[in-house]
Amino acid sequence: DTEVTQTPKHLVMGMTNKKSLKCEQHMGHRAMYWYKQKAKKPPELMFVYSYEKLSINESVPSRFSPECPNSSLLNLHLHALQPEDSALYLCASSQDPPFGGSSSYEQYFGPGTRLTVT
Amino acid sequence: AQKVTQAQTEISVVEKEDVTLDCVYETRDTTYYLFWYKQPPSGELVFLIRRNSFDEQNEISGRYSWNFQKSTSSFNFTITASQVVDSAVYFCALIFNNAGNMLTFGGGTRLMVKP
Repeated sequence: DTEVTQTPKHLVMGMTNKKSLKCEQHMGHRAMYWYKQKAKKPPELMFVYSYEKLSINESVPSRFSPECPNSSLLNLHLHALQPEDSALYLCASSQDPPFGGSSSYEQYFGPGTRLTVT
Repeated sequence: AQKVTQAQTEISVVEKEDVTLDCVYETRDTTYYLFWYKQPPSGELVFLIRRNSFDEQNEISGRYSWNFQKSTSSFNFTITASQVVDSAVYFCALIFNNAGNMLTFGGGTRLMVKP
């Protein structure tokens, strides 16, 4: 089973709202990722968690706050977002993290959350 | 510089035609990993294949085939007898050791298969 689940599928929020995106995988993967994808563009990496610890933050604004409560769950807390943050937010996981020393790097993606900030 | 280029932004074919999606890359790494992902309109990126840089054997999976040529730094993807369900955006991506082992995506190719 190579399934990554994400909730909600769609989210509309105002600029003063606080919301959270959730991601879950039960493949025993040791790395989890958040990506942002704008229309007609490839995904852009936001954060990487390795063994439940934040290992990479790609200079993402603090209005995005990731959290990894356990090895299967990844959250993205949103606060005071801007309309330009509207995008598809994708979660992914891989067997091994970056610098993991093996070749099992393929990432499996969830269906994404389509976020609209009004 | 590490770079992945998909020169074809959009391709339109009629069902049952064969179609090849091009991917070229630039790297000085000797070890790297190549991937293709499919993104249908629903949004999810579906993993299709991974190849290692030291394995140039081509691969076939049903109607899909991949041609990896290290000499030309290319990793092309062919769909034989295309179907409407193949309509999607296809991303070529690489993991370069010198890029922190993170995925570097090409710009994507939108494939439209018409009935």
